[in-house]
Amino acid sequence: VLTQPPSVSGAPGQRVTISCTGTSSNIGAGYAVHWYQHLPGTGPKLLVYGNTNRPSGVPDRFSGSKSATSASLAITGLQAEDEADYYCQSFDSSVNIYVFGTGTTVTV
Amino acid sequence: QVQLQESGPGLVKPSETLSLTCSISGGSISTYYWNWVRQPPGKPLEWIGYIYDSGYTDYNPAFKSRATLSVDASNNQFSLKLTSVTAADTATYFCAGIVGGAFETWGQGTMVTVSS
Repeated sequence: VLTQPPSVSGAPGQRVTISCTGTSSNIGAGYAVHWYQHLPGTGPKLLVYGNTNRPSGVPDRFSGSKSATSASLAITGLQAEDEADYYCQSFDSSVNIYVFGTGTTVTV
Repeated sequence: QVQLQESGPGLVKPSETLSLTCSISGGSISTYYWNWVRQPPGKPLEWIGYIYDSGYTDYNPAFKSRATLSVDASNNQFSLKLTSVTAADTATYFCAGIVGGAFETWGQGTMVTVSS
């Protein structure tokens, strides 16, 4: 339901952004967007909640933004350890379910 | 810090029932709404449903009453049963705690294969 680019890449130290496009029944309806980092063999890790907030311990290199029916995750000062899959997530009121994005693989 | 651990069979036969348990440690079962989320190979994450410690539940309609969540507060565990499984239910299943709409804590996941 939430559309993300399949992959993005950048050199160490660079800035990359991941988009998350929704509709009027989820992001456009005002529901918050949350972002997760997922490494193989582990559970996803919450990176950004409530559109722009970082949980304790998440570096400020990760930042979220939201506008209209889309959201973005920016990673600045890209590091090798940032190689992972990233997912956005929100709530959809047309079917009353939590929905995830299609996922984006970040390559450093 | 809350930690979650999924457990259950890694192989289930078609048409049978998939049963998984999530054990909660380091925190109260009243802290979160407790969820199951799955990820089929090569596909995005999919929310199955949640349960609160009171037993209140909500489900993704896509599972058409095949899914049942239950909670065992005395043992700090909650469970998922998914009936009439098919190959399409092959996935990594995660348990997770949600607060304010965000999945704040996750288990490491358990892979379940549906095959005869």
